[in-house]
Amino acid sequence: AQKVTQAQTEISVVEKEDVTLDCVYETRDTTYYLFWYKQPPSGELVFLIRRNSFDEQNEISGRYSWNFQKSTSSFNFTITASQVVDSAVYFCALPSGGYQKVTFGTGTKLQVIP
Amino acid sequence: DGGITQSPKYLFRKEGQNVTLSCEQNLNHDAMYWYRQDPGQGLRLIYYSQIVNDFQKGDIAEGYSVSREKKESFPLTVTSAQKNPTAFYLCASSSGGFVEQFFGPGTRLTVL
Repeated sequence: AQKVTQAQTEISVVEKEDVTLDCVYETRDTTYYLFWYKQPPSGELVFLIRRNSFDEQNEISGRYSWNFQKSTSSFNFTITASQVVDSAVYFCALPSGGYQKVTFGTGTKLQVIP
Repeated sequence: DGGITQSPKYLFRKEGQNVTLSCEQNLNHDAMYWYRQDPGQGLRLIYYSQIVNDFQKGDIAEGYSVSREKKESFPLTVTSAQKNPTAFYLCASSSGGFVEQFFGPGTRLTVL
């Protein structure tokens, strides 16, 4: 069975602080993908990144970076120099079942305080 | 602009009434999905469709029904059999395979 755990329910940081959102997953698939989505207060989920299990290199996109470690089944997300606009709920997700079904974590609500 | 449209944004219904939520996409995606979101529970899959005239139950399909008569449209009906229908409903689509899903703005349903 697929499982995604985001143990941090809510995080508050002061603007310009760095913050890391944790994601731990379980899968029996030998090949798989992982996603991160952002859900701002408006409600629509926005895709941030996709990473496949063959590529364990860290990914950096502007202030965002992702650390994927198969040995610990983790795919953590770091925001550097956080901004108020980063305030949102962030979801980690793991596709399965022919990659048409996606298991989402319960999300981490990030509040960036000015 | 390509995207997914869900209407209405807010919907109120009396208990015991069926209600249909609209979802339209112009991304030419084959696959479409319906999710339910409750506070603290993330997204749960209700139904998904990989192709026109075909759909499969997700994890919480009881009390819901769907149709997929056109590639662009995937309406969700919340029936009176759904015991606790008040929730935020999200529609998504994808081109299938190893790619991300694109989401609509969601419909917040409140049953009074």
